[in-house]
Amino acid sequence: AQTVTQSQPEMSVQEAETVTLSCTYDTSESDYYLFWYKQPPSRQMILVIRQEAYKQQNATENRFSVNFQKAAKSFSLKISDSQLGDAAMYFCAYNQVRGGADGLTFGKGTHLIIQP
Amino acid sequence: DAGVIQSPRHEVTEMGQEVTLRCKPISGHDYLFWYRQTMMRGLELLIYFNNNVPIDDSGMPEDRFSAKMPNASFSTLKIQPSEPRDSAVYFCASSAGPTDTQYFGPGTRLTVL
Repeated sequence: AQTVTQSQPEMSVQEAETVTLSCTYDTSESDYYLFWYKQPPSRQMILVIRQEAYKQQNATENRFSVNFQKAAKSFSLKISDSQLGDAAMYFCAYNQVRGGADGLTFGKGTHLIIQP
Repeated sequence: DAGVIQSPRHEVTEMGQEVTLRCKPISGHDYLFWYRQTMMRGLELLIYFNNNVPIDDSGMPEDRFSAKMPNASFSTLKIQPSEPRDSAVYFCASSAGPTDTQYFGPGTRLTVL
């Protein structure tokens, strides 16, 4: 079974600074998708960014970018120019391709605190 | 589109009572997922449907839990009888295809006393 590990329960960063959240995963598959979701206090799960494993280019979405290292099974999220609205729980998630849908496997999450 | 809609947003009930959670997926999405979020276990998949048919219910914790999808625009998750350990946030999500992005509803916070 696939597993997703987020080793940082909590991270703190000054407003306008850059922060990187770590995620590693374990799978025997070669084709899969990886995601970062944000969960603010409202508890709504919001997609931040998505990465296809077959793509070598790292995904970016405005201030959010990933560092995808397939061989190392690492998928970190970089948030540039941190804003107060970025404060939330961040979840890394894995979705396999083979066999069709299998639901998302989530990490335990990282609580991101933005210091004004 | 209105996004995934869940009701109720909050539910407080007493142990032994029946609880029904409801979900309306995004129109045109063929896949619907039910997840549960607790402090101890995090986010875990309970069951998912493809074209209204349950595909994988291996995550359903026990026979007290059941889920249905009578049509493409409505699904229910029922717990009967409910127990305090069922207290959690229950999310519904939908996607257009098996590996397309899943969009989540706002969740239902269930408290069983």
